[in-house]
Amino acid sequence: GQQLNQSPQSMFIQEGEDVSMNCTSSSIFNTWLWYKQDPGEGPVLLIALYKAGELTSNGRLTAQFGITRKDSFLNISASIPSDVGIYFCAGRLGGGATNKLIFGTGTLLAVQP
Amino acid sequence: GAVVSQHPSRVICKSGTSVKIECRSLDFQATTMFWYRQFPKQSLMLMATSNEGSKATYEQGVEKDKFLINHASLTLSTLTVTSAHPEDSSFYICSALQSGARRRNEQFFGPGTRLTVL
Repeated sequence: GQQLNQSPQSMFIQEGEDVSMNCTSSSIFNTWLWYKQDPGEGPVLLIALYKAGELTSNGRLTAQFGITRKDSFLNISASIPSDVGIYFCAGRLGGGATNKLIFGTGTLLAVQP
Repeated sequence: GAVVSQHPSRVICKSGTSVKIECRSLDFQATTMFWYRQFPKQSLMLMATSNEGSKATYEQGVEKDKFLINHASLTLSTLTVTSAHPEDSSFYICSALQSGARRRNEQFFGPGTRLTVL
């Protein structure tokens, strides 16, 4: 199946550092979403972006919907140990009948206390 | 709000048996649910879209006779893995679509079901 290119694949950082990850696609998306998945759990929505150029924050998390609608980034500021997990971007091609999401390949984040 | 549950959370079965996994939207109605499969250290791959009262739509490469989906009510979809084999061992995750202008058609995910076929 189709997947989005997400980078980096993994990150190992010290507590307090800032983190940045991004997703790119050859397709245009109408919606970009960022999820966090803990081991053995389902993904939890962090941030949703609905318009090109949109910049949205959720606490220490900030995400942007690229102007070209083919990319998005997620920043985490002042990381803490509980930020550990796998982060996935997901794109939705369009609303209406489909609503299908295409997921990125994931970024594994490890935070050293 | 927007809670999705899955049952069972973990199942171990013998090769050749069938396994049913339930996905429920607990506090909202979902005309559309989705079933994903996730192998270790990989991303979520959409298997099928489950529509209440109609047949599911399967993604390319997913055998509809192998993975039976029934969406009999607005809060319940089931995935049955028929004649399971070890290669079907995976983490199966469902999501439910909460539609409406305010919710912007967002999917809320269940906690997943770990299937191990011996």
